[in-house]
Amino acid sequence: DAGVIQSPRHEVTEMGQEVTLRCKPISGHNSLFWYRQTMMRGLELLIYFNNNVPIDDSGMPEDRFSAKMPNASFSTLKIQPSEPRDSAVYFCASSLGLVTDTQYFGPGTRLTVL
Amino acid sequence: AQTVTQSQPEMSVQEAETVTLSCTYDTSESNYYLFWYKQPPSRQMILVIRQEAYKQQNATENRFSVNFQKAAKSFSLKISDSQLGDTAMYFCALGSGGYQKVTFGTGTKLQVIP
Repeated sequence: DAGVIQSPRHEVTEMGQEVTLRCKPISGHNSLFWYRQTMMRGLELLIYFNNNVPIDDSGMPEDRFSAKMPNASFSTLKIQPSEPRDSAVYFCASSLGLVTDTQYFGPGTRLTVL
Repeated sequence: AQTVTQSQPEMSVQEAETVTLSCTYDTSESNYYLFWYKQPPSRQMILVIRQEAYKQQNATENRFSVNFQKAAKSFSLKISDSQLGDTAMYFCALGSGGYQKVTFGTGTKLQVIP
């Protein structure tokens, strides 16, 4: 299996622009997680889907962030408009079942907002 | 609410020696799992070891073992015969079945010194 695939690996954009991060989970996995990692705040869970349905989005910072999972093999995290404080590494992870199962992480997307 | 606390931001160990990383947690759930994840400088997060709360026996995985003290809500990771490749950030995580919540600690940066 190819593992969790994220694109792009690096993204540099200007403040105010829309940013879309993409994730393809491992085939057969039913849960998908989006995380944000910064030096200041560590690793934060943004949102968690199970069977394409958002279960916990309490970590989504504000309305500028939105996440979708239109099918079992694809998810997006969108930031509109982006701000410099959104600069971080964004990870996607998937697991076979629920939060008690092992998560498999993607390589991350390093986002820089100028 | 559930919390995970890693009180050691950084640690170092000599190659071939043993080191123990600490983690304490809090949850009111009875159905939960505990995890240690490793994030090397390459950034890819991978599972080190997983412990089911209802199992009294401590999990082991080659040179990695845990000391799970359920009453004390403590879940420490012991790395034996440390190797240079063990240099990484280590995250303790808690996944609760009832809450459907996953929480990561702030991480411990481990440096293995040759």
